[in-house]
Amino acid sequence: DADVTQTPRNRITKTGKRIMLECSQTKGHDRMYWYRQDPGLGLRLIYYSFDVKDINKGEISDGYSVSRQAQAKFSLSLESAIPNQTALYFCATSVGSGGSAGELFFGEGSRLTVL
Amino acid sequence: GQSLEQPSEVTAVEGAIVQINCTYQTSGFYGLSWYQQHDGGAPTFLSYNALDGLEETGRFSSFLSRSDSYGYLLLQELQMKDSASYFCAVRPNDYKLSFGAGTTVTVRA
Repeated sequence: DADVTQTPRNRITKTGKRIMLECSQTKGHDRMYWYRQDPGLGLRLIYYSFDVKDINKGEISDGYSVSRQAQAKFSLSLESAIPNQTALYFCATSVGSGGSAGELFFGEGSRLTVL
Repeated sequence: GQSLEQPSEVTAVEGAIVQINCTYQTSGFYGLSWYQQHDGGAPTFLSYNALDGLEETGRFSSFLSRSDSYGYLLLQELQMKDSASYFCAVRPNDYKLSFGAGTTVTVRA
């Protein structure tokens, strides 16, 4: 089984619908992240969390919200999806500070299409 | 904020050597990472440089010059399976990575 699991892997929805992407990890890492990938733009940070009580906005948080339900679970919500949120979304984890913080462990991605 | 520049595409033949350059601008700097991604799959970690110099891991090496805000990933003895996208990512502080747009490497027989 994957260490970082994302559900759903693929989702097609309509404009205005609420969507939740879920992420769970078995690595025991405290730090969790949500990134968005668009062609030609690399990965951009949406939100990150260092523990259950810690939630922080990233570069492109508008239109998104997150919930850290437990150390192992971090979900991303689109309250009212719009077409320009069509993208590939990745959840990632990391150990913490120090040299190891340069290493993120990614899930397999959730491909979201908003019509 | 941060900005990173890397070439968009590189093509080479099997057995060749490819160097992917990455220049960055950042207000803070903890280190530079490299990731590989196959066909929209999960990016996987390749290397991390916090100090100047060359880090070697098998066929892949990564170099950093902090004074030049520059790094590169060197892929040696290219194999078909090395066809993928490669991303450099700068760590401007203790809590995030900022990624470049990626370089698509195509390996030809």
